[in-house]
Amino acid sequence: DAGVIQSPRHEVTEMGQEVTLRCKPISGHDYLFWYRQTMMRGLELLIYFNNNVPIDDSGMPEDRFSAKMPNASFSTLKIQPSEPRDSAVYFCASSPDRVSGDEAFFGQGTRLTVV
Amino acid sequence: GQQLNQSPQSMFIQEGEDVSMNCTSSSIFNTWLWYKQEPGEGPVLLIALYKAGELTSNGRLTAQFGITRKDSFLNISASIPSDVGIYFCALGRSQGNLIFGKGTKLSVKP
Repeated sequence: DAGVIQSPRHEVTEMGQEVTLRCKPISGHDYLFWYRQTMMRGLELLIYFNNNVPIDDSGMPEDRFSAKMPNASFSTLKIQPSEPRDSAVYFCASSPDRVSGDEAFFGQGTRLTVV
Repeated sequence: GQQLNQSPQSMFIQEGEDVSMNCTSSSIFNTWLWYKQEPGEGPVLLIALYKAGELTSNGRLTAQFGITRKDSFLNISASIPSDVGIYFCALGRSQGNLIFGKGTKLSVKP
């Protein structure tokens, strides 16, 4: 398996533009997580899905952020409109069912810069 | 909410030295995980702990799940330059998600 795949690796956009981040989890994993990493706040959980259903989105900072998981192999995180303070590295991670363990496997991240 | 404290924040050591870092939580958890993140990459799982008192090794790395289930430590023996990175502890919650510590940044001088 290729692991968790995220795209793009880098994104530079102007304030006010819509940004869409993409993630392909590891095949067979039941859980998918979106994290944001900044120097100030570290790794923050934004939202996670279990079997494509959003379970907890309390970490989503504002209504400008939305996430979808239309099927087991694809998820998106959208920011509309984007703001400079959204600049961060966004990670997607997936993990198998709870019986197998709690280990989450991370993608390489998308470095977002909003200017 | 739960508090997760990781220390130290950073370490500057000489190659060959041993390293120790730890995490404490305000609540009891059933899972402790240790990750390493290198520049430009996502965190990579090093060790997973599921039982209080469990001691697990992965090469030169050793981690233990505290008896009280509120703490864990990670030791690295005989450090080498490629050990450089940020080490995170993480807690597994019953809902299925993970909470991460702030990280320990390790620098190794050859």
